[in-house]
Amino acid sequence: AQSVAQPEDQVNVAEGNPLTVKCTYSVSGNPYLFWYVQYPNRGLQFLLKYITGDNLVKGSYGFEAEFNKSQTSFHLKKPSALVSDSALYFCAVRDNTNAGKSTFGDGTTLTVKP
Amino acid sequence: DAGVIQSPRHEVTEMGQEVTLRCKPISGHDYLFWYRQTMMRGLELLIYFNNNVPIDDSGMPEDRFSAKMPNASFSTLKIQPSEPRDSAVYFCASSSIGKTNEQFFGPGTRLTVL
Repeated sequence: AQSVAQPEDQVNVAEGNPLTVKCTYSVSGNPYLFWYVQYPNRGLQFLLKYITGDNLVKGSYGFEAEFNKSQTSFHLKKPSALVSDSALYFCAVRDNTNAGKSTFGDGTTLTVKP
Repeated sequence: DAGVIQSPRHEVTEMGQEVTLRCKPISGHDYLFWYRQTMMRGLELLIYFNNNVPIDDSGMPEDRFSAKMPNASFSTLKIQPSEPRDSAVYFCASSSIGKTNEQFFGPGTRLTVL
């Protein structure tokens, strides 16, 4: 069975500071990892994914994530946060034995204060 | 492409009434997912289809819920009879074939059962 943990319900950072949203996962095979963002009253939007290759993945809006196999983590990062980054962030994992279904974390609310 | 289309965007109904939510996936996508999102339970996968065939409906809460996908461009989620605890935002998402591809979410249907 696959699972995802987002240990922080909320992350607060000041505008211009770096941000990190944490994610750890558990899968039986090789993981395919995703980050999505949800703005108020909207559906989830894809940010970035790790499938294979370079452990540092770059995505939309200046976000990046680092895959760490030994720590089974896939933390989302951004060097300089913007107020407009405030949203709900979801980590998701899919293992290579199940082509269709992803398991989503509970989400982390990021608040960036001016 | 217009993205995933859901209708209606908002639905208010009374307990005991039948509710039908509709989804048009992105053309060419092979997978279709129905999710429910609430504050209490977060994002839950209800059911998903591959090539119009239901693959996993283990997330469907009870027999009052049913989903169909009569063709590649249309799916419905029906609740009959509806109950106040069904109040939530229901999302439809689609993705293309292959294990690595991300999901594209619709804008959601906000259902309120009085």
